[in-house]
Amino acid sequence: DGGITQSPKYLFRKEGQNVTLSCEQNLNHDAMYWYRQDPGQGLRLIYYSQIVNDFQKGDIAEGYSVSREKKESFPLTVTSAQKNPTAFYLCASSMGTPQHFGDGTRLSIL
Amino acid sequence: GIQVEQSPPDLILQEGANSTLRCNFSDSVNNLQWFHQNPWGQLINLFYIPSGTKQNGRLSATTVATERYSLLYISSSQTTDSGVYFCAVPSSGGSYIPTFGRGTSLIVHP
Repeated sequence: DGGITQSPKYLFRKEGQNVTLSCEQNLNHDAMYWYRQDPGQGLRLIYYSQIVNDFQKGDIAEGYSVSREKKESFPLTVTSAQKNPTAFYLCASSMGTPQHFGDGTRLSIL
Repeated sequence: GIQVEQSPPDLILQEGANSTLRCNFSDSVNNLQWFHQNPWGQLINLFYIPSGTKQNGRLSATTVATERYSLLYISSSQTTDSGVYFCAVPSSGGSYIPTFGRGTSLIVHP
């Protein structure tokens, strides 16, 4: 089945640690996105990529980094510079419209 | 950028009731998506509806692009309809970068 796979489902970060969230898609979509969702809030765009080896900052990119070395993969690194990383992270992909989402990763601070 | 407002923010229903959720947007758009986020956080595509009306079972959606709003109708609600409903419209510019509303939280009691 085609879809978007995010891993892990749950992740814990220690102070000062970088962690990487995985996002893989087999839908052959060109565009991929990372969103952050805080409790009771909508989705805020962190980074997006429309083509391999290119990506753009979204509204809340500070403290995060991404890479897009392969069409299928768009990993997100939450760096130690992100002081409030506890949130639900969603990855999406699209070929134009509509957007399709993975099941998300919940990140918490230890 | 484009503003997206959803109403009501919260809705509580008895099973079997009907409801209407609204999405207003501040600029003209050429597409719009409705999503359902279930209690486990999964975002499910409901409708891609740039204009007109679409129906899928007990759910239907209408977008009136000239008046900058969309409506999502839920008929004969069931407990499995509980969750948060989001609408998303593209930001201005050539790329598909959706802007999400803050959502309508729906609880359906048995």
